[in-house]
Amino acid sequence: GAVVSQHPSWVICKSGTSVKIECRSLDFQATTMFWYRQFPKQSLMLMATSNEGSKATYEQGVEKDKFLINHASLTLSTLTVTSAHPEDSSFYICSARGSPGAQGTEAFFGQGTRLTVV
Amino acid sequence: QKEVEQNSGPLSVPEGAIASLNCTYSDRGSQSFFWYRQYSGKSPELIMSIYSNGDKEDGRFTAQLNKASQYVSLLIRDSQPSDSATYLCAVSTGAGKSTFGDGTTLTVKP
Repeated sequence: GAVVSQHPSWVICKSGTSVKIECRSLDFQATTMFWYRQFPKQSLMLMATSNEGSKATYEQGVEKDKFLINHASLTLSTLTVTSAHPEDSSFYICSARGSPGAQGTEAFFGQGTRLTVV
Repeated sequence: QKEVEQNSGPLSVPEGAIASLNCTYSDRGSQSFFWYRQYSGKSPELIMSIYSNGDKEDGRFTAQLNKASQYVSLLIRDSQPSDSATYLCAVSTGAGKSTFGDGTTLTVKP
């Protein structure tokens, strides 16, 4: 399958600071990228969908001013957790998809970023 | 009702047995169906995708889809201890956005 690289794989930050997570598609152009959050022993919850060059679409209940998403190129999307608090500690995972609207096109996941806010 | 429901685990099978994982979904407009495997602390890994009714086989894995019953399953033949993981069912309506089930944890005992 296609390769999606996510960085960093883990980060510890102080409460009130901001953290940026990068998601790169290494061998294909990702027209759409998805950001998920997963708490321990729970399933993936979609936070937002981003299309290259346009504003991200956030899921209900996700604060867009807190979770800033930028998809400036076809191979890179970033998620910035602003003013992080301990309750933001979670496993953040991106996935990338190549062809918009193409039925059956799988999305491939990055390695995930474990964020711990202390 | 959850959009994607998976049979509650954990599921335990002996090595060499068949593991059967089930998933139902509520949106009849769903077009794409995926099974992911997730090891503890790791990101999900796509293992099977299926788009039309019937069976799809890939090695020891067989996915079965029945759109009329809104049901998709994954069979793992000759289960190995390395298959022990959480299996996530994901359903997409075609816009690329997938909805995930809560996952079923499988343990294969040597």
